[in-house]
Amino acid sequence: ILNVEQSPQSLHVQEGDSTNFTCSFPSSNFYALHWYRWETAKSPEALFVMTLNGDEKKKGRISATLNTKEGYSYLYIKGSQPEDSATYLCASGGSQGNLIFGKGTKLSVKP
Amino acid sequence: DAGVIQSPRHEVTEMGQEVTLRCKPISGHDYLFWYRQTMMRGLELLIYFNNNVPIDDSGMPEDRFSAKMPNASFSTLKIQPSEPRDSAVYFCASSQTSGSSEQYFGPGTRLTVT
Repeated sequence: ILNVEQSPQSLHVQEGDSTNFTCSFPSSNFYALHWYRWETAKSPEALFVMTLNGDEKKKGRISATLNTKEGYSYLYIKGSQPEDSATYLCASGGSQGNLIFGKGTKLSVKP
Repeated sequence: DAGVIQSPRHEVTEMGQEVTLRCKPISGHDYLFWYRQTMMRGLELLIYFNNNVPIDDSGMPEDRFSAKMPNASFSTLKIQPSEPRDSAVYFCASSQTSGSSEQYFGPGTRLTVT
């Protein structure tokens, strides 16, 4: 994998559903994996930065895992709410924060 | 702190004109990044600075693009001459230390070149 790939591109769920997305990144020369949440008409906001293989991070109903050996990270949202509707971006970065972003997963949560 | 500040928020200009985008990073942040967002290519890193020094400008698309950071609280991204294909949203972001620090994004400048 040469680029950062995210799947699915978009996702529609009902309020209360739990969901997850995938981020794939080059496993060689790995330094850090970032997750950002991007609401329409706003700017990206950081959710997590992970550096260690096996890392798991949690913020409220949102959590993320990291596998640096195989080059993937999962983002989980438990009990989705309409306010979770946003595009979720992941990015693989070097030691100075030079990030390569994926195209994002656009999540829509219907009430 | 007010966060990362960018100006203008919107810019409409004619092809061939010079465009200057401005950014004020969060005080105390050592790194400043300029990104471009387009539908086709997503969010792309153009250039970044560490302690006001440009580190990597390999993402700058052409010589028409230039960026400066004369001091710790101000950076500019200039396009001269501008072309319609430069139309995009340009974001500035800053971070405290290294690549393991989260980046804080400004509100972006929506540039339209006609």
